[in-house]
Amino acid sequence: EDQVTQSPEALRLQEGESSSLNCSYTVSGLRGLFWYRQDPGKGPEFLFTLYSAGEEKEKERLKATLTKKESFLHITAPKPEDSATYLCAVPKQGAQKLVFGQGTRLTINP
Amino acid sequence: DGGITQSPKYLFRKEGQNVTLSCEQNLNHDAMYWYRQDPGQGLRLIYYSQIVNDFQKGDIAEGYSVSREKKESFPLTVTSAQKNPTAFYLCASSLRGLSGYGYTFGSGTRLTVV
Repeated sequence: EDQVTQSPEALRLQEGESSSLNCSYTVSGLRGLFWYRQDPGKGPEFLFTLYSAGEEKEKERLKATLTKKESFLHITAPKPEDSATYLCAVPKQGAQKLVFGQGTRLTINP
Repeated sequence: DGGITQSPKYLFRKEGQNVTLSCEQNLNHDAMYWYRQDPGQGLRLIYYSQIVNDFQKGDIAEGYSVSREKKESFPLTVTSAQKNPTAFYLCASSLRGLSGYGYTFGSGTRLTVV
């Protein structure tokens, strides 16, 4: 069964304190791994798509990496405005729909 | 600008009442989806449609119904058979094949039973 597991469920950091979020997946024939950011009461917004092991993508303080079994979202020197829930998702095998992890709720304290 | 519009932003339902959530997109996307989001449970798929006049049940379709009469529109009806409808509902659309961005999401509708 296709599954996506994110850890930790919640993470509280001080401003400037770097850390990483984890997304583990079990799906055959990966057709992409997607990261989204979701602010409270809003729809998720696209961050990155990764397609193959070893691939990395960066956007401001965020860098996403991919291995054969998991993806990491590294956040470097975060600011309070980086506080949000971060979701990862993979396409279900043989289907045109995404399977989502439960998300990591990130809080950056000033 | 292209995007997805969900309405209303907030909706209140009385016991035994059916309500319909609207979702419209002008991205020319073929596929549209409805997800339900509850605290701590992530996004769960209710229904999805890949082409007009065709749709499939997702993981939690009981108590919900949809229609896809136009490419741009995918309304969701929450029926009285849905016993616990209080949640945040998200509509999304995508290109066929989930290329590029995967999904584009609407801003959501928060449904509360009163």
